Amino acid sequence: GAGVSQSPSNKVTEKGKDVELRCDPISGHTALYWYRQSLGQGLEFLIYFQGNSAPDKSGLPSDRFSAERTGGSVSTLTIQRTQQEDSAVYLCASSWAAYGYTFGSGTRLTVV
Amino acid sequence: GQQLNQSPQSMFIQEGEDVSMNCTSSSIFNTWLWYKQDPGEGPVLLIALYKAGELTSNGRLTAQFGITRKDSFLNISASIPSDVGIYFCAGFTGGGNKLTFGTGTQLKVEL
Repeated sequence: GAGVSQSPSNKVTEKGKDVELRCDPISGHTALYWYRQSLGQGLEFLIYFQGNSAPDKSGLPSDRFSAERTGGSVSTLTIQRTQQEDSAVYLCASSWAAYGYTFGSGTRLTVV
Repeated sequence: GQQLNQSPQSMFIQEGEDVSMNCTSSSIFNTWLWYKQDPGEGPVLLIALYKAGELTSNGRLTAQFGITRKDSFLNISASIPSDVGIYFCAGFTGGGNKLTFGTGTQLKVEL
């Protein structure tokens, strides 16, 4: 597609439930990133995929968070046993080079 | 970890005024980027700076990469209502591909 597509755009879930957030990057972009943005805050790095290399998971806040990228394209961020502090906007970006980040519009997650 | 401190945290200015915001770091960055985020959207790249001392313009926007490689500023001239949004600085360090983001400057423009 023309841009980075994220779904759903909004997700409300009950505390303790699992959620899956999807990112469809720009075709041909080899790198994919997930960031988290809490209300009124900057962007917090979560995880980075580059081609077929092992992902950089150094930003994942706990073992409840995981992500995969299938076939070098679509990525899914999974949060298990959601907590209220997980409420945030989750942003995905893709790039073909280190300086070419393009962000999606994000998924706003609300845990009630 | 690395932190980027942005100031001011928010600005409320009159249409037509010039705006200046800056970003400082305790670490050296080898690339500085400035992004703008509109409500409900992801950040959009405005300007990229790759060399210490570099001064780059994009329309009414001007940004500079500090000589020490630990700071950058963004100027917006003759602000207009559509300049409203949150501006983030971001940077790469060393050979890394992860962007570190600043805390953001919220700009509000009064007609």
